[in-house]
Amino acid sequence: QKEVEQNSGPLSVPEGAIASLNCTYSDRVSQSFFWYRQYSGKSPELIMSIYSNGDKEDGRFTAQLNKASQYVSLLIRDSQPSDSATYLCAVNEFSGGYNKLIFGAGTRLAVHP
Amino acid sequence: GAVVSQHPSRVICKSGTSVKIECRSLDFQATTMFWYRQFPKQSLMLMATSNEGSKATYEQGVEKDKFLINHASLTLSTLTVTSAHPEDSSFYICSARRQRTGEKLFFGSGTQLSVL
Repeated sequence: QKEVEQNSGPLSVPEGAIASLNCTYSDRVSQSFFWYRQYSGKSPELIMSIYSNGDKEDGRFTAQLNKASQYVSLLIRDSQPSDSATYLCAVNEFSGGYNKLIFGAGTRLAVHP
Repeated sequence: GAVVSQHPSRVICKSGTSVKIECRSLDFQATTMFWYRQFPKQSLMLMATSNEGSKATYEQGVEKDKFLINHASLTLSTLTVTSAHPEDSSFYICSARRQRTGEKLFFGSGTQLSVL
């Protein structure tokens, strides 16, 4: 199984600031990348998917992908206390005949008022 | 969005008992479902890929005789933790991929298993 690396945090940002979350992956052939948000005791919910190099924006969220550097990031603009959660980076891996999502350990984000 | 239902949400059991967890795709057919396990403050670890009508594919290090997976229909997969022990206590999450949504996974709400 290939690796997906994230800084565990916590990443603490003030309300209204930009939160920047980073992720690196080891499988060079991966083509699909995802950011999930997980609140404590809950299952993950999909925030963004990105497949091409560059930026992809959706509301306050921007995902950035650089396949050459094997790096994907998530920017959260105008951070709110409700954004406080663990953010999981996930990379698609084709193995054993199936497309599987491999998750990083997650970065805990704390947005303080 | 697609809905994946998982039951029960919480189980507390004695050591040595078996626990069955159900995962249903409510509004779509899921040929393949995935079972993950998550220990506190750790990431989701893929346990196995559940295939409708055939045997599950287990990840390295996952005991297939302990974690029995049955994918009886296109909308139902079950995970049975046999002879559970305290070290099996964890958050178990199922997920399914819907056709025509690419590789996005839709997750069930998870099952918190506590083995005393």
